[in-house]
Amino acid sequence: AQSVTQLGSHVSVSEGALVLLRCNYSSSVPPYLFWYVQYPNQGLQLLLKYTTGATLVKGINGFEAEFKKSETSFHLTKPSAHMSDAAEYFCAVSDRRTGANNLFFGTGTRLTVIP
Amino acid sequence: DGGITQSPKYLFRKEGQNVTLSCEQNLNHDAMYWYRQDPGQGLRLIYYSQIVNDFQKGDIAEGYSVSREKKESFPLTVTSAQKNPTAFYLCASNWGAFGTNYGYTFGSGTRLTVV
Repeated sequence: AQSVTQLGSHVSVSEGALVLLRCNYSSSVPPYLFWYVQYPNQGLQLLLKYTTGATLVKGINGFEAEFKKSETSFHLTKPSAHMSDAAEYFCAVSDRRTGANNLFFGTGTRLTVIP
Repeated sequence: DGGITQSPKYLFRKEGQNVTLSCEQNLNHDAMYWYRQDPGQGLRLIYYSQIVNDFQKGDIAEGYSVSREKKESFPLTVTSAQKNPTAFYLCASNWGAFGTNYGYTFGSGTRLTVV
């Protein structure tokens, strides 16, 4: 089964600073990879996804993530944090081999942006 | 606009009562999912359904039941057998089981509280 590890359950950055949220997966075959954002008392919203092709993926709100097969990673970055980025972020993977479309989620990283 | 509608947004349950959470989608998605979210624990899969009239247990199905009589609808019943039902419940959907996985679309959630 797939597993996803998000390093750091809480990350704090200053407004304007680089945001880096880490995600590693366990699979011998590169899976489909996703980042979701969740604001308080709301559902999850898709930020970006990697399915195939270019390994640097750009998403909404200025976020991007790079798929690194050698490191089994899919870290999320944003060059300059904004107060509105404060939320919880979830990394998710789906097994490409089985054809099944279930997603496996990490435990989430809560991002705090300090003014 | 297409999307997933969860209702109600807030629900209160007395001890020993069954309650049903509604999830409706107009995205023509084949697959639907129910997740439970507790603070610091990420998302845990309760039940999922790939096609009408079929569903499978997830990781924490005990104390819950579902039905999938229509493609658009996937209601979740929290039974009195669920000893700790207070949580945030999320419904999601996506396309069928084969081919590229483009990720889930989520509803806005139902917060269930036992009183």
